[in-house]
Amino acid sequence: DVKVTQSSRYLVKRTGEKVFLECVQDMDHENMFWYRQDPGLGLRLIYFSYDVKMKEKGDIPEGYSVSREKKERFSLILESASTNQTSMYLCASRKTASNTGELFFGEGSRLTVL
Amino acid sequence: AQSVTQPDIHITVSEGASLELRCNYSYGATPYLFWYVQSPGQGLQLLLKYFSGDTLVQGIKGFEAEFKRSQSSFNLRKPSVHWSDAAEYFCAVGGRIYGNKLVFGAGTILRVKS
Repeated sequence: DVKVTQSSRYLVKRTGEKVFLECVQDMDHENMFWYRQDPGLGLRLIYFSYDVKMKEKGDIPEGYSVSREKKERFSLILESASTNQTSMYLCASRKTASNTGELFFGEGSRLTVL
Repeated sequence: AQSVTQPDIHITVSEGASLELRCNYSYGATPYLFWYVQSPGQGLQLLLKYFSGDTLVQGIKGFEAEFKRSQSSFNLRKPSVHWSDAAEYFCAVGGRIYGNKLVFGAGTILRVKS
C-alpha cells in the first residue's frame, strides 16, 4: 500500500518558535508538495519539489521554507511561527511531473500557534 | 484568472438519497478535472478524474462525474448515498497553464442523515 507519512499529527507551538513539519513517502515519487488547508479556502500550495534539492514556490510561500535532501523526505519549515500560520498542513506526492497524475496525501499535521 | 468554484459549502442528504455536488471552473483551454474526498481525520483520496474523451467518468465508491464544457462544470454524482460518504469533497483543476500544479476549490462538506 502506498503511503505518505506526516510524522506529527498535532503540534502546539509559541509565536516566534521554529517549526519543522516532516513528510516521508515510500513510493519513490519525484514530486512532493506542501499544502495548507483552511476552512472555506480549500487547499493552497505552499511549495513543491520535483527532485532532490530542487524546490519551487507555490501560491503562498511567504513565511515558509522547505528542504529536500533525500528523495523520500520533504520538510516544511516555519522559521518564526506566527498565529496566522495556525492551520492544517497536508503533504502530497506524485510520480509524474504532469498535473494529470494522482496526488497521494498524508493525513495532515494540525498546527496551532499560540 | 483561472479558478475553481464549489458553490455549496455544506450539503445534507438522507441516506439512500441521490447526491450532486457542483463544481464550476474557469479555464481558457481544455482542463484536467479531478474530484478528491477527505474523510474525517484522513488525507485526500482521488475519486475520479477527466482529461478527455467520454464526458461521463466513473470513479471509486460508486461516484461519477460529468464534464460539461458549455457550462464549465464538472459535477459529482452518486445515485444512493451511504452514511460512510460523509466527508469533505474537493474539486480541482489542472492543465498546461498550471505547469505541474493543481488548483483546488474551497470544498463541500457532505452530511448524511440516517
